[in-house]
Amino acid sequence: DQQVKQNSPSLSVQEGRISILNCDYTNSMFDYFLWYKKYPAEGPTFLISISSIKDKNEDGRFTVFLNKSAKHLSLHIVPSQPGDSAVYFCAASGSGTSYDKVIFGPGTSLSVIP
Amino acid sequence: DAGVTQSPTHLIKTRGQQVTLRCSPKSGHDTVSWYQQALGQGPQFIFQYYEEEERQRGNFPDRFSGHQFPNYSSELNVNALLLGDSALYLCASSLVGLSYNEQFFGPGTRLTVL
Repeated sequence: DQQVKQNSPSLSVQEGRISILNCDYTNSMFDYFLWYKKYPAEGPTFLISISSIKDKNEDGRFTVFLNKSAKHLSLHIVPSQPGDSAVYFCAASGSGTSYDKVIFGPGTSLSVIP
Repeated sequence: DAGVTQSPTHLIKTRGQQVTLRCSPKSGHDTVSWYQQALGQGPQFIFQYYEEEERQRGNFPDRFSGHQFPNYSSELNVNALLLGDSALYLCASSLVGLSYNEQFFGPGTRLTVL
């Protein structure tokens, strides 16, 4: 049973436009959510996170929105750049610390077209 | 700082064999987690080691075992390999109790089982 879902395997966006990546989760015990970015032949790197007590967190061009009642979060990238082309993983955890495991979604492959 | 390192980079084994993968954590980190990433899927949590003991475990059979050494490096052992064990194996390190924002991944070991 997949607890973290990313229903779009891939997404293509023009450079300079907004990229919106979506994620849904089923476990209401999740209290902390993370987005990771992965380039080929590299491990995932942390991008941005959000605690369940917030509905928005922003870091430069990246913003994560959380709708706890809908068990849905989204990552917005504005403006999108070619270097943003990568696989993006949504992940969820209980406390968000190493005391709890982190559950990953299947990923969305983003292509930013110059 | 070399970050998280893993060896070997690639490995080919046949069904029924045993394999050992190695991970050196980022300097200063004391917790090592192992993940399996099958093709087209997100990383799946295998287990986590802290103070040379397995602290948490995901839904993986006993064929998957590990070890952490006093210098915090870690090994992942898989016995009786199956074709389905073919995947990218990722190691991640962190400091106990800290946020997953501070978890760093290695580049992974690509295991192919023939």
